[in-house]
Amino acid sequence: QKEVEQDPGPLSVPEGAIVSLNCTYSNSAFQYFMWYRQYSRKGPELLMYTYSSGNKEDGRFTAQVDKSSKYISLFIRDSQPSDSATYLCATRAGTASKLTFGTGTRLQVTL
Amino acid sequence: DAMVIQNPRYQVTQFGKPVTLSCSQTLNHNVMYWYQQKSSQAPKLLFHYYDKDFNNEADTPDNFQSRRPNTSFCFLDIRSPGLGDAAMYLCATSLAGALDTQYFGPGTRLTVL
Repeated sequence: QKEVEQDPGPLSVPEGAIVSLNCTYSNSAFQYFMWYRQYSRKGPELLMYTYSSGNKEDGRFTAQVDKSSKYISLFIRDSQPSDSATYLCATRAGTASKLTFGTGTRLQVTL
Repeated sequence: DAMVIQNPRYQVTQFGKPVTLSCSQTLNHNVMYWYQQKSSQAPKLLFHYYDKDFNNEADTPDNFQSRRPNTSFCFLDIRSPGLGDAAMYLCATSLAGALDTQYFGPGTRLTVL
């Protein structure tokens, strides 16, 4: 079993839709949770960073962590074609430990 | 703008011919990482430098080596590339102690013929 599981998609939504991207993880030691966006043939770009359980909002993006169920989510409101990319969740146990990535979900926002 | 730069962006090599990939950063971060990412897979950490200290992942093949001559530069050497080494190679940096957020370069796509 992988430490971080993520549905690879692709997920196709119309412009303006609310998108929900999710990951599950198995290691209860994970405390730091991140979402990266990766455009085709580019490096990952950090979108959201949260510590422990709770919600964090930044513009159209909301990250949610539920440590009791080991479930992390990224919501995108009013999705735009420019949001079309692969979204990778990542987590780590401590600030000095290595990142563990999900395989990424490919999102396509259509006009 | 402060950034992580990787050169070349695309590299083609022949089976068994050594290749070196380059990463430089203007962020003055003390930690530098090399990841391998194959199509539709998660980035896989190969090794990282904490300042001059080299930390190899247990499952990184001996075929992969790294050098960090100074804070700004880090190199990935693949001594004898095999067809299975074709991938995107990502360099990342972080400032240890400041939430350790990793910033990625654009990657080098390696093709092995």
